[in-house]
Amino acid sequence: GENVEQHPSTLSVQEGDSAVIKCTYSDSASNYFPWYKQELGKRPQLIIDIRSNVGEKKDQRIAVTLNKTAKHFSLHITETQPEDSAVYFCAARGSGNTGKLIFGQGTTLQVKP
Amino acid sequence: NAGVMQNPRHLVRRRGQEARLRCSPMKGHSHVYWYRQLPEEGLKFMVYLQKENIIDESGMPKERFSAEFPKEGPSILRIQQVVRGDSAAYFCASSPPQAQRNEQFFGPGTRLTVL
Repeated sequence: GENVEQHPSTLSVQEGDSAVIKCTYSDSASNYFPWYKQELGKRPQLIIDIRSNVGEKKDQRIAVTLNKTAKHFSLHITETQPEDSAVYFCAARGSGNTGKLIFGQGTTLQVKP
Repeated sequence: NAGVMQNPRHLVRRRGQEARLRCSPMKGHSHVYWYRQLPEEGLKFMVYLQKENIIDESGMPKERFSAEFPKEGPSILRIQQVVRGDSAAYFCASSPPQAQRNEQFFGPGTRLTVL
């Protein structure tokens, strides 16, 4: 069935360093890949997304890359700040009429000041 | 423009009672999705609805759970005869119609505790 694997489950970096989170998906028909940031007790917030016709997208300190052949995509955060500390979820959406997102298990990012 | 609204934010029920969770999508959004998040886990898709239609309920448990999105009013996720394993955060998300429906915006969630 549809599955999204996310690694690592926890990530600790020093402030100013880069953080990379990786995801793989199983459904080759997936065409949309969002990333969400969730702070403790809060709602997931969309931070960046990429569609299958694009290989890379950047928004200030955040970038996402997509390798359709290998079926994996990654989130890159540069110049990390303590306020980047949160749980990050990747997701994949299949083709067709369903809008459902299949989420990864989440990565807890801790940025140490 | 108000975001996705959910109520109640916290709900406590005893085993065997019913839980009703409500979701009002963002203005202009006609697609609603429900997800469940168990403690320290990811979000699991439950159901996808448009007005008066269930489009995909492949993530819904076969029994006790139902969802609707009437022509007027919020979307409702209903859990009958709750059990302790239903304790979770339930998030609703909405998206715009047609080609832009890819982006999903989440509500604040309802945290259900079953005693």
